[in-house]
Amino acid sequence: EDQVTQSPEALRLQEGESSSLNCSYTVSGLRGLFWYRQDPGKGPEFLFTLYSAGEEKEKERLKATLTKKESFLHITAPKPEDSATYLCAVQATTSGSRLTFGEGTQLTVNP
Amino acid sequence: SQTIHQWPATLVQPVGSPLSLECTVEGTSNPNLYWYRQAAGRGLQLLFYSVGIGQISSEVPQNLSASRPQDRQFILSSKKLLLSDSGFYLCAHQRGLGNTIYFGEGSWLTVV
Repeated sequence: EDQVTQSPEALRLQEGESSSLNCSYTVSGLRGLFWYRQDPGKGPEFLFTLYSAGEEKEKERLKATLTKKESFLHITAPKPEDSATYLCAVQATTSGSRLTFGEGTQLTVNP
Repeated sequence: SQTIHQWPATLVQPVGSPLSLECTVEGTSNPNLYWYRQAAGRGLQLLFYSVGIGQISSEVPQNLSASRPQDRQFILSSKKLLLSDSGFYLCAHQRGLGNTIYFGEGSWLTVV
């Protein structure tokens, strides 16, 4: 069974204080790992897709990395507008179209 | 570009009443379509997914059903709502396995 665990559940940062969010996964074969940002009352907004270990992608203050067991979302010099819940999901080669999500990390950036 | 529409955005329904949430996708053909439910402060629970017209896979036995009458239309239904059906329902689409999955804006359902 595919499993995704995100940590921490909640994270409070001061503006400019860099940190990382973790997504650990267990699949028999990874087809893709997805990161999303979700604001309260909204649908998840796509950030990145990673396909193979060693891959990295960047977008503004965010950088996603991937190993064979986990992915990190690094946030550099965050701003209050980065406050949101960040979701990680995996699609496995043996699970067809099924996409399995973690519980998310709620990030709050204080000015 | 691909867009996804989901409606209604918000609804309040009495226990025992029927439900119909609709989702349509534009800008792509034969997408994979998904219905997810999200409880407050929690992750997304996959309810149904579809790889083609009339093809529905159910992930969780429950009071809900799904249908795909057209290539880019996905409907979530219930004949009789329960209090436990309350939540945030999200429709999503994917052009093909491994490709980016896009979500709609969601539908808030409150069963009273």
